[in-house]
Amino acid sequence: DSGVTQTPKHLITATGQRVTLRCSPRSGDLSVYWYQQSLDQGLQFLIQYYNGEERAKGNILERFSAQQFPDLHSELNLSSLELGDSALYFCASSVGRLAGGARGNEQFFGPGTRLTVL
Amino acid sequence: AQSVTQLDSQVPVFEEAPVELRCNYSSSVSVYLFWYVQYPNQGLQLLLKYLSGSTLVKGINGFEAEFNKSQTSFHLRKPSVHISDTAEYFCAVKFNRSGGSNYKLTFGKGTLLTVNP
Repeated sequence: DSGVTQTPKHLITATGQRVTLRCSPRSGDLSVYWYQQSLDQGLQFLIQYYNGEERAKGNILERFSAQQFPDLHSELNLSSLELGDSALYFCASSVGRLAGGARGNEQFFGPGTRLTVL
Repeated sequence: AQSVTQLDSQVPVFEEAPVELRCNYSSSVSVYLFWYVQYPNQGLQLLLKYLSGSTLVKGINGFEAEFNKSQTSFHLRKPSVHISDTAEYFCAVKFNRSGGSNYKLTFGKGTLLTVNP
């Protein structure tokens, strides 16, 4: 158990809909990362937040957005869903370099949310 | 361009045989290196990491890896595998850009290790 929790575990929805994925980081971790895992693209970095602020963006579509709340949990919002958005979405957390030095680079992953768009 | 390559998409081996899963990266900056394992229908679990110091790192479940800076490689090894090691293994790299504040990991495509009896 990594200490990172994600809900829901599974999500089945239709094209055009909007969903919200939730992540709670490990206690004390300030950084949250979102990754998408699909068969064709593999594991892709989407976005990072550090202590409530966006720090980096990867291959995140404009239809997707995220935020990190004062209690450090994060939500990933996916809208106007398409069939190709079906994937496993992982959240990871780390202490963050400022707090943990090089060790802050170590990321702990949650169990993921499997999104199926029909 | 910075990239991570896992040379083998699938590696079948027999139980108790040694195994090596290969990972190479391309980078003009320093790196931190990680191996993660993903068991079926589960999340990613950190096997081991190289941040600094000794280039030979030991991880959980009897795995080890060696950082070779000149060959830009970080191959994962285990001297004797078990059926329970059947899983997908991912090499991940953090590229240390100067002044950078993002810590995203760049992953290889993964290697499916199948251990047969």
